[in-house]
Amino acid sequence: SQQGEEDPQALSIQEGENATMNCSYKTSINNLQWYRQNSGRGLVHLILIRSNEREKHSGRLRVTLDTSKKSSSLLITASRAADTASYFCATDGTNAGKSTFGDGTTLTVKP
Amino acid sequence: EPEVTQTPSHQVTQMGQEVILRCVPISNHLYFYWYRQILGQKVEFLVSFYNNEISEKSEIFDDQFSVERPDGSNFTLKIRSTKLEDSAMYFCASRGETYNEQFFGPGTRLTVL
Repeated sequence: SQQGEEDPQALSIQEGENATMNCSYKTSINNLQWYRQNSGRGLVHLILIRSNEREKHSGRLRVTLDTSKKSSSLLITASRAADTASYFCATDGTNAGKSTFGDGTTLTVKP
Repeated sequence: EPEVTQTPSHQVTQMGQEVILRCVPISNHLYFYWYRQILGQKVEFLVSFYNNEISEKSEIFDDQFSVERPDGSNFTLKIRSTKLEDSAMYFCASRGETYNEQFFGPGTRLTVL
């Protein structure tokens, strides 16, 4: 079954630095989505990248997708303390559009 | 901006009791989902619903679970006889088209005692 797996599991950086998180998956996908989750809270949709796209930007976020390597990365530039959260990738397959989530990366941005 | 809403935000129940978790998806969306997240673990798919029927369900979604769209706006998840291991955050999600963004509600934290 397809599965998003993020690395690193945890990342700690200083405010102003860039944060890069990676996601790998196993089978073909239609879309890949990135979500943020603050501790004990809901999932906030960040960005969707389709299988025929290679890069997408949204504000300080940059997402890349390499379907040949079955991997994606999320770059947050000029990080802020408010970016502290868990970040998940979720892959959308061909069956009814369900998403399969990875284990997530916990990002801590120190002020 | 339209959003998915869920009630209640927190539900505490005794083992063996029935619970109904409620969701109001975004109004023009066609696909609806329930996921759960056990504390400290990843988000797991439970069930998808389209055109008034279940499209797909995971092995977690056994006979104790059911979903319903009783009217044009609500989407409910019922757990018939709760177990301790059902304690988790339950998320409802919806999307307009099959391969567009999937939007999640804020979740219902279910605690089974």
